[in-house]
Amino acid sequence: AQRVTQPEKLLSVFKGAPVELKCNYSYSGSPELFWYVQYSRQRLQLLLRHISRESIKGFTADLNKGETSFHLKKPFAQEEDSAMYYCALKTAGTASKLTFGTGTRLQVTL
Amino acid sequence: SQTIHQWPATLVQPVGSPLSLECTVEGTSNPNLYWYRQAAGRGLQLLFYSVGIGQISSEVPQNLSASRPQDRQFILSSKKLLLSDSGFYLCAWSPGQVGYGYTFGSGTRLTVV
Repeated sequence: AQRVTQPEKLLSVFKGAPVELKCNYSYSGSPELFWYVQYSRQRLQLLLRHISRESIKGFTADLNKGETSFHLKKPFAQEEDSAMYYCALKTAGTASKLTFGTGTRLQVTL
Repeated sequence: SQTIHQWPATLVQPVGSPLSLECTVEGTSNPNLYWYRQAAGRGLQLLFYSVGIGQISSEVPQNLSASRPQDRQFILSSKKLLLSDSGFYLCAWSPGQVGYGYTFGSGTRLTVV
C-alpha cells in the first residue's frame, strides 16, 4: 500500500528565510505527487503538481524517485505562507486514490 | 467552470441519531467522487470513493456509508451516530485523469454529543 510521510508537524521560520517542507513516499507503481495548502478558515486547495513542474507563489517541488521524496521549497518565506501543508500521492488507474501525509504547519514569523 | 458544494457547514447531532451529508458537483460529468475525514495530527483519511453512479468503494470499516444516487451527487450517511464519528468531513472530486489533483469542498464539522 502507498504511504506518505511528512516528518515535521510544525516548521517555524523567519520571514525571508528559506523554507523546505519534507515529504517522502512509498509506492510500488508510478506516483503522481501533489502539494495541498490550507490557509486559516479556507478550504484545502491544490498548490502544485509534480507533473507540471511549475512554481506557484514562489514554491517549487521536485520529484526525486531515487530518494522517493517530493520536498516543497521556497527561497524566501513570506508571512502569508503561514498555513497547513499536505503532501499527497495519487495512485495509478481510473479508480485512483489520493493518499495524504499528516501535514506540516508552516509558521512564518517576523 | 466546475464547482463543488458541500453542506451543512456545521452539524451537532446526538449519539444514536442518523446522519446525511450531501455533496454536489457542477460543471462536469462523470466525476470521481470522494469522502475524506480530516483529523488533527492525522491528516486526511479516505473513507469512500465512487467512479460512477451506484459504485461505492469503502476504504475503512466504520459506522458510515456512502451513496451516489446521481452522477454528481455524493451522500455520506449513518443510521446511528457514535461519539467517535465526530470530525471534519470533506468531499472531493476529480476528473479521474492523469495529472489532475482533487478539488475539495469546504467541509462539514460534525460534532456528536
